[in-house]
Amino acid sequence: DAMVIQNPRYQVTQFGKPVTLSCSQTLNHNVMYWYQQKSSQAPKLLFHYYDKDFNNEADTPDNFQSRRPNTSFCFLDIRSPGLGDAAMYLCATSRVYNEGSYNEQFFGPGTRLTVL
Amino acid sequence: AQKITQTQPGMFVQEKEAVTLDCTYDTSDQSYGLFWYKQPSSGEMIFLIYQGSYDEQNATEGRYSLNFQKARKSANLVISASQLGDSAMYFCAMRVSSNDYKLSFGAGTTVTVRA
Repeated sequence: DAMVIQNPRYQVTQFGKPVTLSCSQTLNHNVMYWYQQKSSQAPKLLFHYYDKDFNNEADTPDNFQSRRPNTSFCFLDIRSPGLGDAAMYLCATSRVYNEGSYNEQFFGPGTRLTVL
Repeated sequence: AQKITQTQPGMFVQEKEAVTLDCTYDTSDQSYGLFWYKQPSSGEMIFLIYQGSYDEQNATEGRYSLNFQKARKSANLVISASQLGDSAMYFCAMRVSSNDYKLSFGAGTTVTVRA
């Protein structure tokens, strides 16, 4: 089945130790998103790629970076995780056909990050 | 700016009964789409139903239906015949034509289905 895959599902890191979360998709979608979701809150968009074009949200800390080496893969790098970065990180994809098309976003299962 | 409001932080519903989750939105765009997602405790976000701003009929998907009242800017989700597996967090979200890539989410409503 076509899907969005996130690895690992659970990640434990130490304060200040860089960590990379990965996302892959078999849907061949143009757009890939990274969200941060803290407990009992709505997902917060960090950034997204439209093809190779990177789009950062204005309030995303510099500590968060992303790479998209090809259509299928997208990585979230947290350069120096703090205790406040402990959260669920969700990857999503969508295919934008044209302006005004409202294709849904397909989400991966998420990676739950713990910072010790 | 777009805004989604979900005023019910948590709800209890008896198994086999229907439940309505409220969602109101605010946008100046004439063209937009409204989505509902379900998030079980395992964490994945599951797409449930979509309503376009120009759709004249309310969307339905199995036991899910969307009560779309455009003039009131509301898009309530109705879950009929609740099942224990419906216990989850439910998010209302909106995307507008002027910012086609971005979903704005409400705060969510936690639904607990009782046997």
